[in-house]
Amino acid sequence: DQQVKQNSPSLSVQEGRISILNCDYTNSMFDYFLWYKKYPAEGPTFLISISSIKDKNEDGRFTVFLNKSAKHLSLHIVPSQPGDSAVYFCAASDRSGAGNMLTFGGGTRLMVKP
Amino acid sequence: DTGVSQNPRHKITKRGQNVTFRCDPISEHNRLYWYRQTLGQGPEFLTYFQNEAQLEKSRLLSDRFSAERPKGSFSTLEIQRTEQGDSAMYLCASSRTGADTQYFGPGTRLTVL
Repeated sequence: DQQVKQNSPSLSVQEGRISILNCDYTNSMFDYFLWYKKYPAEGPTFLISISSIKDKNEDGRFTVFLNKSAKHLSLHIVPSQPGDSAVYFCAASDRSGAGNMLTFGGGTRLMVKP
Repeated sequence: DTGVSQNPRHKITKRGQNVTFRCDPISEHNRLYWYRQTLGQGPEFLTYFQNEAQLEKSRLLSDRFSAERPKGSFSTLEIQRTEQGDSAMYLCASSRTGADTQYFGPGTRLTVL
């Protein structure tokens, strides 16, 4: 069973506009969430994270929102740039467990058109 | 901080052969993780080490897979008697104990013919 889901396999956005990537989870024990960006033939690069005690975290053009009651998080990129074109993965961990292993969604391919 | 490195970057092998991959974590990171990513999927957890101790293994890690971290620094992942279903990207990540963010290497892409 998929505990972390990204229901949109792809998203196309015009340069300068907002990109919104969504992620849903089912495991209520998850208390830390991360977004990674991945270019082809490279490993995932950490973007931004949020703890379950917060509902928003912002870093430059990137903002992550967490809605615990809906078990939903989203990543907003404003303004979107062509260099943002990549696959974005959301990941979750249960910090009460040993090891903090990450459970990933299936990814969303973002294409930002000039 | 030179980041996580993995070698080789690509490996092509024939079914039934053994392969070994290496991961060098960020130097002060004592936690090391292995993940596997297949086409169109997100990475899946395989195993993790706290220093030299292997503390958790996924049920994805069949008995043909073995991982070591002998001195608590670099780690190796060996796959014996490879099968075509083992074809994937093998990712290594590291973190400090108590830190929530894992940093990934570039991965080793394995193709089993």
